[in-house]
Parts: sequence; C-alpha cells; structure tokens
Amino acid sequence: NAGVTQTPKFQVLKTGQSMTLQCAQDMNHNSMYWYRQDPGMGLRLIYYSASEGTTDKGEVPNGYNVSRLNKREFSLRLESAAPSQTSVYFCASSARTSGRAEETQYFGPGTRLLVL
Amino acid sequence: GENVEQHPSTLSVQEGDSAVIKCTYSDSASNYFPWYKQELGKRPQLIIDIRSNVGEKKDQRIAVTLNKTAKHFSLHITETQPEDSAVYFCAVLGWDSSYKLIFGSGTRLLVRP
Repeated sequence: NAGVTQTPKFQVLKTGQSMTLQCAQDMNHNSMYWYRQDPGMGLRLIYYSASEGTTDKGEVPNGYNVSRLNKREFSLRLESAAPSQTSVYFCASSARTSGRAEETQYFGPGTRLLVL
Repeated sequence: GENVEQHPSTLSVQEGDSAVIKCTYSDSASNYFPWYKQELGKRPQLIIDIRSNVGEKKDQRIAVTLNKTAKHFSLHITETQPEDSAVYFCAVLGWDSSYKLIFGSGTRLLVRP
C-alpha cells in the first residue's frame, strides 16, 4: 500500500503558466481533499470530493479547479498561476463509510510550488 | 462558518516536562476533534482524536480533553521527548457533515534535551 501519492514533489512556475497537481490513493477511500499550507496559517481546504463524481469548494477555491477522475484520483489545476499561489499543497483522503464523517484523513507527501 | 483558534503558536519545554496546547472553536454543534502532528518537511499525521460524547481520551503519553460547554479542547503531552518536537495542528469537523475539517494555525513545539 502506497497510501496517498502526489506528483510532482516540487515545481517552479512563472506567473500565468498553468499546471496540474496529481493525487492518487490506493486505500479505496471515498473522500479526497486538497489543502494548501502557508507559514503560520495551518492547512486551508481548497476543494474536496465527498465521493466519486462530486466536488465542492472549500475555504480558498479561487484560482483553482479540480477533477475527480475516478475513485482513486483527484487532480488540482492552476489555470494561470500567481505568486500568491506559492505554497505547499497536500492531498488527503478518508474512508467516510456509512455516513460517518469522523474518519481519519491520510495525507500525501505534499507538492512544493513556487510561482515567480 | 466554523472558526478555530490555537494557542500558543510556539512552545518550548525541557525534556521530561509536560506540554499543553489549546484550541477553541465557535460552532457548538461541532462533533469531532482530531489532532495532527507534522514533523519538519513531512506530511501531517493523526495522533489522537476525540468525539463530542467523550470528555477525555488517552494514548500512552498523549491525551486530549474536551470541554463542550466552553467550546475548547486541549492536547496534553507528558514526559516530553526530543522526538515530540514538531508542529501540532488541531482540527474541528463541522456539524453539517460536509466532511470538511477546519484546522487551527498550528503550534511549533520544541523539546530541549
């Protein structure tokens, strides 16, 4: 079991460029999440997918789009990168069985993004 | 929406001493309160959690207490060791079952040998 994997590990973009961050989990989890982590601000939810086929906005969705490609994969796209999007991005997943939301979230290793 | 405040932002203790981190939340209907530990350059990992029908939970040297009336919960680490040095995040799951965790801003704990 690899758990939650993310690619790439590190990326440098110029302002205005686009890119997609990839996330996959092999735990057969229903729910997946994208967070960004900035110094002193903890983890902020960008988008989440409660189940395959659904996506919803989190706290800071502006400038991002997501795709729940299948049950395993959840990608995050930056259409036109801005310096304010420089951050560490974490993907996470949780089982969420039988409607119980209190399932442990398992995080990926993170993607460090620098926008110049 | 839910608001989570975490204190202190940094905490330095001598090895063997206890450490306490406190979080307050705003929505009285919130019902699940996990704590995550993040070592430098690593991913956050769950270390303990508590549900709203329980007042205290222990796991070896760590414990979490919940005061629903006052809307705060705390992480207690006893007999601290250097490997406890990390950033700790509290989180709160809202009552609307949207499966969204709201995280506190984190506490950087340094355990001095």
